[in-house]
Amino acid sequence: DAKTTQPTSMDCAEGRAANLPCNHSTISGNEYVYWYRQIHSQGPQYIIHGLKNNETNEMASLIITEDRKSSTLILPHATLRDTAVYYCIVLKDGANNLFFGTGTRLTVIP
Amino acid sequence: GAGVSQSPRYKVAKRGQDVALRCDPISGHVSLFWYQQALGQGPEFLTYFQNEAQLDKSGLPSDRFFAERPEGSVSTLKIQRTQQEDSAVYLCASSPRAGLNSPLHFGNGTRLTVT
Repeated sequence: DAKTTQPTSMDCAEGRAANLPCNHSTISGNEYVYWYRQIHSQGPQYIIHGLKNNETNEMASLIITEDRKSSTLILPHATLRDTAVYYCIVLKDGANNLFFGTGTRLTVIP
Repeated sequence: GAGVSQSPRYKVAKRGQDVALRCDPISGHVSLFWYQQALGQGPEFLTYFQNEAQLDKSGLPSDRFFAERPEGSVSTLKIQRTQQEDSAVYLCASSPRAGLNSPLHFGNGTRLTVT
């Protein structure tokens, strides 16, 4: 599976949009981009995933570049409860194993 | 509805003791996964069940680690002769379909400390 590169940490002001980047330059055509987050002392929580089109749900938007080598997770109006570690994961269709890496620690500041 | 439930929430074991960690997945979920998360790291895959069949145990770090899901619902992760390096949070996840074709629902984990 392709590996991902994410910044170690980011800050965002409460109420502003949080834009979390992810590089996955070795992604293959049948690999999806998944985002999970992990709030302190909890298990990871699924956010969103996509293949090549941009996706939006009630939690976030996922923007994937045309060449699919990078993506951005957007939390449109960050709240203090969005403080968490965010994991960008590239997943091959049919795989059994999510490779989490170390993620981006997002801190939302009041 | 109830999510994935793990027990105990915390476990302290003396080095050399055996431990058993329980996972109650969401009812009807076909797939069940175990992950290990060391402090400051992301979760790492241990093993995968589809119903009662253990289809992938490539992530189990040694033969001291054993997992089962005999009736295709509740799962137990057993660690024999615990060592200090086994100290970690053990996470269980389930999903309604086979493999990773649908997002995983995680429990809040069992924090194991080996002294």
